[in-house]
Amino acid sequence: GQQLNQSPQSMFIQEGEDVSMNCTSSSIFNTWLWYKQDPGEGPVLLIALYKAGELTSNGRLTAQFGITRKDSFLNISASIPSDVGIYFCAAPSSFGNEKLTFGTGTRLTIIP
Amino acid sequence: KAGVTQTPRYLIKTRGQQVTLSCSPISGHRSVSWYQQTPGQGLQFLFEYFSETQRNKGNFPGRFSGRQFSNSRSEMNVSTLELGDSALYLCASSFDGNEQFFGPGTRLTVL
Repeated sequence: GQQLNQSPQSMFIQEGEDVSMNCTSSSIFNTWLWYKQDPGEGPVLLIALYKAGELTSNGRLTAQFGITRKDSFLNISASIPSDVGIYFCAAPSSFGNEKLTFGTGTRLTIIP
Repeated sequence: KAGVTQTPRYLIKTRGQQVTLSCSPISGHRSVSWYQQTPGQGLQFLFEYFSETQRNKGNFPGRFSGRQFSNSRSEMNVSTLELGDSALYLCASSFDGNEQFFGPGTRLTVL
């Protein structure tokens, strides 16, 4: 089946630092989505990417759709305490049937 | 516009019982998907309904079932609960595109 490999698994950073994470697959996708999940809550959609090479920003967040269509990247600039959480990449099934495959997640912790 | 709502938020059941979870999608969204999230397996797709029809199904046993009503609200049912069914069950709605919006989830604990 289609799998999304997300790295790193966890990050420990200081407030104000920039963050980078990525998601790779052996399969080609036409859409990449990035979600953030807080403890005990559902994932919240941060950014959606629809075109290879596309670079999209949402405030301090910037995501890119890889040229090969097999990967995507998420960057967070000048991290703040509320950025703490788990970030997931996701991509719809290549069969276009609404099934989302999720990455394993990157847990972001900010060290005081 | 109101987001996806799920009820109940928390549920405790014992093995062998059955449970029904409810999801109300964002107004105008016709697609509802269900996911199971556990620490060990991550987010796993259960099934997706569109216009009252199951359009796709994940690799879960037949004890997991769902349905969608004419107003797009959806329910999922788990029969003969097992300890391993303890999880956060998430519902997501979509107009008919790739962007799925999630509810807060129902935390099910099976004792």
